[in-house]
Amino acid sequence: KAGVTQTPRYLIKTRGQQVTLSCSPISGHRSVSWYQQTPGQGLQFLFEYFSETQRNKGNFPGRFSGRQFSNSRSEMNVSTLELGDSALYLCATRGQREGPDTQYFGPGTRLTVL
Amino acid sequence: LAKTTQPISMDSYEGQEVNITCSHNNIATNDYITWYQQFPSQGPRFIIQGYKTKVTNEVASLFIPADRKSSTLSLPRVSLSDTAVYYCLVENSGGYQKVTFGTGTKLQVIP
Repeated sequence: KAGVTQTPRYLIKTRGQQVTLSCSPISGHRSVSWYQQTPGQGLQFLFEYFSETQRNKGNFPGRFSGRQFSNSRSEMNVSTLELGDSALYLCATRGQREGPDTQYFGPGTRLTVL
Repeated sequence: LAKTTQPISMDSYEGQEVNITCSHNNIATNDYITWYQQFPSQGPRFIIQGYKTKVTNEVASLFIPADRKSSTLSLPRVSLSDTAVYYCLVENSGGYQKVTFGTGTKLQVIP
């Protein structure tokens, strides 16, 4: 079974630009969550999508947005990039198992804003 | 959301058993405890999950006392490749929530 795929793996942008990151979940997984990880703030939840609907959102400004397609693939967009947006962006997908669904993380996209 | 507290870092020699304790005083009835492992520049990887008592799998054991206000991840006979950050999470069984990762415990295995 293929794992969670994130593209691109590395990205360099300049301030003011926008960026779109992509996440392809494990086959059959319908929930996709996005996280930002920085050395200073750790792993922070951005939002979660399920069946093309955002059902949870973290405390990030409106510059951070996302969407999910009918095949469960998800994209995350950051507009008007700031230096502080430099981070590892991780997506995680949920499957079905006893108890809470376990999250399976992708390798992440390393975004550098210059 | 139940807040978790873990030690910031731990050191251990190769071959020793390592126990990492996580405190979650306000855990709710339908919350589960999940542990993840993360290597630098990689996404976290699921290790083990439990609700109460003891759970064991091929890589770790999870001990949860009766009051469920804490849990202990036990890694038997660690090796250098176990050097990583370990996160304890409390997750609602409904699954539909904002997941909050704490600071994690950075485990350094020494040869």
